[in-house]
Amino acid sequence: QQPVQSPQAVILREGEDAVINCSSSKALYSVHWYRQKHGEAPVFLMILLKGGEQKGHEKISASFNEKKQQSSLYLTASQLSYSGTYFCGTGVSGSARQLTFGSGTQLTVLP
Amino acid sequence: EAQVTQNPRYLITVTGKKLTVTCSQNMNHEYMSWYRQDPGLGLRQIYYSMNVEVTDKGDVPEGYKVSRKEKRNFPLILESPSPNQTSLYFCASTPRRLAGAIDTGELFFGEGSRLTVL
Repeated sequence: QQPVQSPQAVILREGEDAVINCSSSKALYSVHWYRQKHGEAPVFLMILLKGGEQKGHEKISASFNEKKQQSSLYLTASQLSYSGTYFCGTGVSGSARQLTFGSGTQLTVLP
Repeated sequence: EAQVTQNPRYLITVTGKKLTVTCSQNMNHEYMSWYRQDPGLGLRQIYYSMNVEVTDKGDVPEGYKVSRKEKRNFPLILESPSPNQTSLYFCASTPRRLAGAIDTGELFFGEGSRLTVL
C-alpha cells in the first residue's frame, strides 16, 4: 500500500522553509527520500532507518517517527535549486529492493 | 562515469507490436529494477532482479517480462503492448551498502524511457 504524502504541492519564496510529510499504514523499517527535477530521473537524498537518528543533508534534513509510521522532510532557507517533486519510499526492511513510493510532493521555489 | 543507461528514451508504438527497453549499468550493482511512473501515482515497481538469473515480480508486473542474463543488463520486454502501458519507465540499480547487517543501498535511476502505445 502506497504511503501518503502531504502536501501534494507547495509554492515557496526563496529563503522560506517547507515540510513534506510521508505516512504509512504499515509498520516501517526504513524511509528513503528522492528528488526529481522536471524531465530528469529521481535522485537519492537520504535514508532513515528504524532506530536511527535524524539525518541531514546541507539544508535538507529528515526525521522518522517509528511509532506514528511517519517521516518528515525539512527544507530550510529554500533555494531555487530545491524545486522539483519529492518522493518518499517506504520499506519493511532497510533495502531499496522493497520500497513502495508515495505519489510525490511538487515543490516550487520562486525568486 | 557511473551511470544507468536506458534505450530508447522515447518510443511511440502501436498495440500488439512487441518491444524491448534496454537497461545497462556500469557500476557492478547486483540489484536492478524497473518502475513505471504515472501522474498522481508516483513510482510503481514492475519487476526486480537480485542477481543474474534471479528475477521477481513487483507491484504491477502484468503485461511485462524481464530477463537478467548478465549482471549489467536488465531489459524490459512488452510482448503485446496495450495503451494502458503508456507511461514513463525508469530502470534503477542498487549497490549493496551494509550498515551492520542492514542493506541501505540507494536506487540509482536511469534517465527514463517515455513510451506511448497507440
